[in-house]
Amino acid sequence: GAVVSQHPSWVICKSGTSVKIECRSLDFQATTMFWYRQFPKQSLMLMATSNEGSKATYEQGVEKDKFLINHASLTLSTLTVTSAHPEDSSFYICSARRLRGAASSYNEQFFGPGTRLTVL
Amino acid sequence: AQSVAQPEDQVNVAEGNPLTVKCTYSVSGNPYLFWYVQYPNRGLQFLLKYITGDNLVKGSYGFEAEFNKSQTSFHLKKPSALVSDSALYFCAVRGQGKGNTGKLIFGQGTTLQVKP
Repeated sequence: GAVVSQHPSWVICKSGTSVKIECRSLDFQATTMFWYRQFPKQSLMLMATSNEGSKATYEQGVEKDKFLINHASLTLSTLTVTSAHPEDSSFYICSARRLRGAASSYNEQFFGPGTRLTVL
Repeated sequence: AQSVAQPEDQVNVAEGNPLTVKCTYSVSGNPYLFWYVQYPNRGLQFLLKYITGDNLVKGSYGFEAEFNKSQTSFHLKKPSALVSDSALYFCAVRGQGKGNTGKLIFGQGTTLQVKP
């Protein structure tokens, strides 16, 4: 159990277009999902925390108008990169945390496989 | 502020030899500690975690880690390395209790290279 999927796994787009990335928890409900960005051979940088039914909390330095996050249900969060530019090219990874009170005594995060975004 | 340090960018070890990937942390209160592994162009795979209890934690694929509170360390170990263990390893920490946001903070990652 505890599988998180991301779609698409990779995307290439033209500069100025918008790209939507989906993150789904397949076999559990997630009150909270996290979006990370990773540059080659670097660590994961948390971009924002997404809570179901409320506005996302963005980390310092992350443009909320550029990286739109929607957490419409307990199994789906989306990240939309608006007006993408080549510097937005990166590996985007989401994670999902189980609903409180689930079997695990600690609300563990489960990571998706990542989405490779290339902006031309 | 919470932080994680992985002092080695790369660790090289011969197949069959023991391996250690180092991690030290700084967090207010008691920590939750994690190790993840990442293969090229893939997401993170969970290896093991320390929440409470025994300081020696056993995880997936024969990996283990020892929580050392006095040294604020959580080094990853394996008695006998395999070539297939070659990957990027991340240590992460999350603080407990009031004042902690629940966010995972990751170290910068250590590339493990196991040579045949």
